[in-house]
Amino acid sequence: QVTLRESGPALVKPTQTLTLTCTFSGFSLTTSGMSVSWVRQPPGKALEWLALIDWDDAKSYSASLKTRLTISKDTSKNQVVLSMTNVDPVDTATYFCARTVKVGYNYRHPYFDYWGQGVLVTVSS
Amino acid sequence: SYVLTQPPSVSVAPGQTARITCWGDNNGGKTVHWYQQKTGQAPVLVIYDDRDRPSGIPERFSGSNSGSTATLTISRVEAGDEADYYCQVWDSRGVFGGGTKLTVL
Repeated sequence: QVTLRESGPALVKPTQTLTLTCTFSGFSLTTSGMSVSWVRQPPGKALEWLALIDWDDAKSYSASLKTRLTISKDTSKNQVVLSMTNVDPVDTATYFCARTVKVGYNYRHPYFDYWGQGVLVTVSS
Repeated sequence: SYVLTQPPSVSVAPGQTARITCWGDNNGGKTVHWYQQKTGQAPVLVIYDDRDRPSGIPERFSGSNSGSTATLTISRVEAGDEADYYCQVWDSRGVFGGGTKLTVL
């Protein structure tokens, strides 16, 4: 059974660094073809993909947020961590992590088959 | 950057067929995936690789991709299908459409 759970602060002040952790079970990021992504959703708005990390530690980032994001993994803890620097109120959103299918045909056409429940992060002074 | 365009809303009566479109610059070159998101919940994958259903998704959900437009079709719509639906492709990075709110009248 695949599960993912996001954790992190509910409230962050502007200009601070936001650090979110995705703890997962039911699969391993040491397995070829496994990946985990982060996706966010501002209140009442659409989904926005942020970053992805592959089993071999390859990383991809949103072009618009690339300079502010860092994704990493700790395979011994089954965790993926996303850091976002210099946060602003516009970064207020629910942040989801999702297992990403990126193997075979889907290496070039990845999709997200399991999602965490998300964590709401508010950026406010 | 690549943009996916969806209609903001679609309304349909129970028992009828709902069609939600997703237009991209050239969807014919990209594989489209679809997600259902009910209020306050995480998204759920309902169609992957244009037309395949994950296990547990009813056969009433189907997908197609022709030219620049992909379509999610929900047959015999039920009240429980009311949700936001998002299409998604990969263009070196993940790209989501703006979402379509399905209202069951």
